[in-house]
Amino acid sequence: GAGVSQTPSNKVTEKGKYVELRCDPISGHTALYWYRQSLGQGPEFLIYFQGTGAADDSGLPNDRFFAVRPEGSVSTLKIQRTERGDSAVYLCASSLSGGYGNTIYFGEGSWLTVV
Amino acid sequence: AQKVTQAQTEISVVEKEDVTLDCVYETRDTTYYLFWYKQPPSGELVFLIRRNSFDEQNEISGRYSWNFQKSTSSFNFTITASQVVDSAVYFCALSDLTGANSKLTFGKGITLSVRP
Repeated sequence: GAGVSQTPSNKVTEKGKYVELRCDPISGHTALYWYRQSLGQGPEFLIYFQGTGAADDSGLPNDRFFAVRPEGSVSTLKIQRTERGDSAVYLCASSLSGGYGNTIYFGEGSWLTVV
Repeated sequence: AQKVTQAQTEISVVEKEDVTLDCVYETRDTTYYLFWYKQPPSGELVFLIRRNSFDEQNEISGRYSWNFQKSTSSFNFTITASQVVDSAVYFCALSDLTGANSKLTFGKGITLSVRP
């Protein structure tokens, strides 16, 4: 497709389980971002990839969260030992390049519910 | 530090009314970018506009217009003759050199309901 694609669109998991969320960016976009959006809030930055490397992971809340982008295209956000507070929408986004001021295009998000 | 404030949380209007969504930002940088995104119920954030801090000209795109005023650190968004399809959450966002790497700082969003 032409836009950012995320799977799954919805995920319900039990507390303590491991979860993977996948993102397929717009073709040709070298920069990829993960954001997290809690109910009633704006999206908050988690991590930014330029190519295969994580150029900025300052937004990851703790070491239970990890993301990879091994071939510079698809990315996976991994959450270990999930907690109820991890429940949120996880938004993936991409931009043509990672330079300051580039327009970022978002996917529809993966709704994660931890019960 | 960067900050975006959208003081209005919910706005309800009747179709064909004009509506203005307010956005106030804080940044220590002299060069920055401002954005507006629309989030319909489907959840996807739809890009509406990007504005460079050096360009203070107002912009109009169809029923949408934006008023950027550096003197008051505001970047307000007006929808003229609103339609039911405009119902969504609207976010204002800031990208500055402190954020780097195109990282966006978002406001909390304004929920707009347009009633027929």
